[in-house]
Amino acid sequence: SQQGEEDPQALSIQEGENATMNCSYKTSINNLQWYRQNSGRGLVHLILIRSNEREKHSGRLRVTLDTSKKSSSLLITASRAADTASYFCATGEYYGNNRLAFGKGNQVVVIP
Amino acid sequence: DTEVTQTPKHLVMGMTNKKSLKCEQHMGHRAMYWYKQKAKKPPELMFVYSYEKLSINESVPSRFSPECPNSSLLNLHLHALQPEDSALYLCASSQGGLAGNTGELFFGEGSRLTVL
Repeated sequence: SQQGEEDPQALSIQEGENATMNCSYKTSINNLQWYRQNSGRGLVHLILIRSNEREKHSGRLRVTLDTSKKSSSLLITASRAADTASYFCATGEYYGNNRLAFGKGNQVVVIP
Repeated sequence: DTEVTQTPKHLVMGMTNKKSLKCEQHMGHRAMYWYKQKAKKPPELMFVYSYEKLSINESVPSRFSPECPNSSLLNLHLHALQPEDSALYLCASSQGGLAGNTGELFFGEGSRLTVL
């Protein structure tokens, strides 16, 4: 099954800075979702963007989707120490079984 | 109630033991999932139940046996596991059908399994 591939893998930033993560995928998708995971905990859904959408906002989060390039980006503005976590993109496949396949993840550390 | 509850939080078992992981949700969701996650890796899909029927089995070894007694409960029965099965096991649910088509997954906090 396909998986999103995030880039970069690890990011360390100062509090107040913006954090940007990218995700690429290989096949047609129904939607793309971003999740956050604090160390050793469950995943928390952040935002979902459908294949016919190009940009979506939720609070300090901004997600873009470029289906022609099969890529997405997640921007966290004005980062806080509490944003320290792993961030995963996940793609819902359009054809075949509708699995939600997770990418490798980005470790983000926000330094107070 | 927007929670998915998993028990136990931690489990240590020997390779000859039989144990079960349990998951419960009361959000009226009709799809439930088991994922396995190793350290610093993404979650890997194991099983999906849709409307209480097993709809996806990602070629998981038979020492893992899922069960969905009703729409709110999901179990994962464990027998004769190997040390490499040690991982965080995550349960999730989604509103209807499969998440790729219907929206977000709600995850529990996971059960940390150690196989000795």
